[in-house]
Amino acid sequence: AQRVTQPEKLLSVFKGAPVELKCNYSYSGSPELFWYVQYSRQRLQLLLRHISRESIKGFTADLNKGETSFHLKKPFAQEEDSAMYYCALSAYGAQKLVFGQGTRLTINP
Amino acid sequence: ETGVTQSPTHLIKTRGQQVTLRCSSQSGHNTVSWYQQALGQGPQFIFQYYREEENGRGNFPPRFSGLQFPNYSSELNVNALELDDSALYLCASSLAEESQNIQYFGAGTRLSVL
Repeated sequence: AQRVTQPEKLLSVFKGAPVELKCNYSYSGSPELFWYVQYSRQRLQLLLRHISRESIKGFTADLNKGETSFHLKKPFAQEEDSAMYYCALSAYGAQKLVFGQGTRLTINP
Repeated sequence: ETGVTQSPTHLIKTRGQQVTLRCSSQSGHNTVSWYQQALGQGPQFIFQYYREEENGRGNFPPRFSGLQFPNYSSELNVNALELDDSALYLCASSLAEESQNIQYFGAGTRLSVL
C-alpha cells in the first residue's frame, strides 16, 4: 500500500529563518514524489517534483530512499511562502496521486 | 490555454439525494482524475478516466461513478448521498502520454450534505 505522512499539521517560522516541511512515504516500488502548494484562495498547484531535481521559489526537496523521505526545504523563508503544503506520491507509471494530510506553513514577519 | 474548470462551485444537498459534478479538462489533456478532500485532510483519489474509460479507482463505493466525454470533460456522480460525503471535490487533468505525471487541479466543488 502507498502512504504519505506529513507529521506536522502546523508549522510556524519567522521570516528569514530556514524552513523544513517533513514528508515520509511508504511504498515498496519506485515512487514519484511531488510537493503541491495551495496559497490562500488559490487552487492546488505543483511546486516541485523529485525527478526534475529543480529549485522552485527557493525550495528544494531531495528524495532519500533509505529513509523513505522527501522533505521540503528553504534556507530563508519569506512571508509569501505562507500556504498549505501537500506531499504526494505516485507509483511509477501510474497517474494516481496519494497525498499526505498537509502542513500549514505560516511565516511570521 | 484554458485551465481546469469545475462546476458548480458550491452545492447543498440532503441525505439520500443524487449529485452530479462537472469538470472541463485543460486544453490538450486527455486524462481526468477526481479527488475527495475532507476538511483538514489531503485529497483522496476517487477514480481516473482516460479516453472515456475508467482507468483506476480508489477505495470508494460503487455509488461514486463517473463519465468522460469525447472532448475529455468529465462528470462525477454520487448516489444516495450520505453526511460523510460532505467535502471538497477536486478534478485534475493531465496528459497520459507525458511521462512527468503532472496533474493540474481545478478550484473544486464544495458539497454540503445536510
